[in-house]
Amino acid sequence: AQRVTQPEKLLSVFKGAPVELKCNYSYSGSPELFWYVQYSRQRLQLLLRHISRESIKGFTADLNKGETSFHLKKPFAQEEDSAMYYCALYTGTASKLTFGTGTRLQVTL
Amino acid sequence: DAGVTQSPTHLIKTRGQHVTLRCSPISGHKSVSWYQQVLGQGPQFIFQYYEKEERGRGNFPDRFSARQFPNYSSELNVNALLLGDSALYLCASSLEYGGAWGEQFFGPGTRLTVL
Repeated sequence: AQRVTQPEKLLSVFKGAPVELKCNYSYSGSPELFWYVQYSRQRLQLLLRHISRESIKGFTADLNKGETSFHLKKPFAQEEDSAMYYCALYTGTASKLTFGTGTRLQVTL
Repeated sequence: DAGVTQSPTHLIKTRGQHVTLRCSPISGHKSVSWYQQVLGQGPQFIFQYYEKEERGRGNFPDRFSARQFPNYSSELNVNALLLGDSALYLCASSLEYGGAWGEQFFGPGTRLTVL
C-alpha cells in the first residue's frame, strides 16, 4: 500500500533562511508526486508536480527514487510562504491522491 | 468560473442521523473525488467518480456512498453518523480520469460536526 510521510508537523524559519520540507513515500509502482499548499483561509491548491520539473514561487522539489523522497526546497523564505504544505502521491488506478499529514511552515521576521 | 463549489459550508448533526453533501465541479471537469480531512491530518481519499461511474474507493465503511449526476455534480451521503465522522469533507474535480496529470482542484470543503 502507498504511504506518504512528512516527519515535521511544524517548521519555523526566519525570513531569508533556506527552507526544506521533507517528504518520503512508499509505493511499489512508478511514483507521481505533488506538493499541495493551503494558505490561511484559502482552499487547498497545487504548488508543483515532479513531472513538470518546474519552480513555482521559488520552490523546487526533486524526486529521489533511491531515497524515496520528494523534499520541497526554497533558498530564501518569505513571509508569504507561511502555510500548510502537503506532499501527495498520485496512483493512476483511481484518481487517488494519498496525502501526508502536512507540515506547517512558519516564516518569522 | 467560481471554481469547485460545495454546500453546505457547515453542518451539525447528531449520532445516527444521515447527511448529504454536495459538490459542483469546475465547468468542463468530468471527474469528482471526495476526501475526508480530520483535524491535524491530511485529506484521506473516499471516492472518485468519472462520467457518473465510481472509479475508485478508499477504505471507508459502506455507510459512505456517493453518486455523480449527468451535469457532473456529485453528492456524498453518510448514513448512521458516528462522532468520528466529524471532519472537513473536501471535493476535488479534474478534467479527466487517470493519466499523468494528477492535478485536482479543491473546493472549500464542508465542515461536518457530529454531536
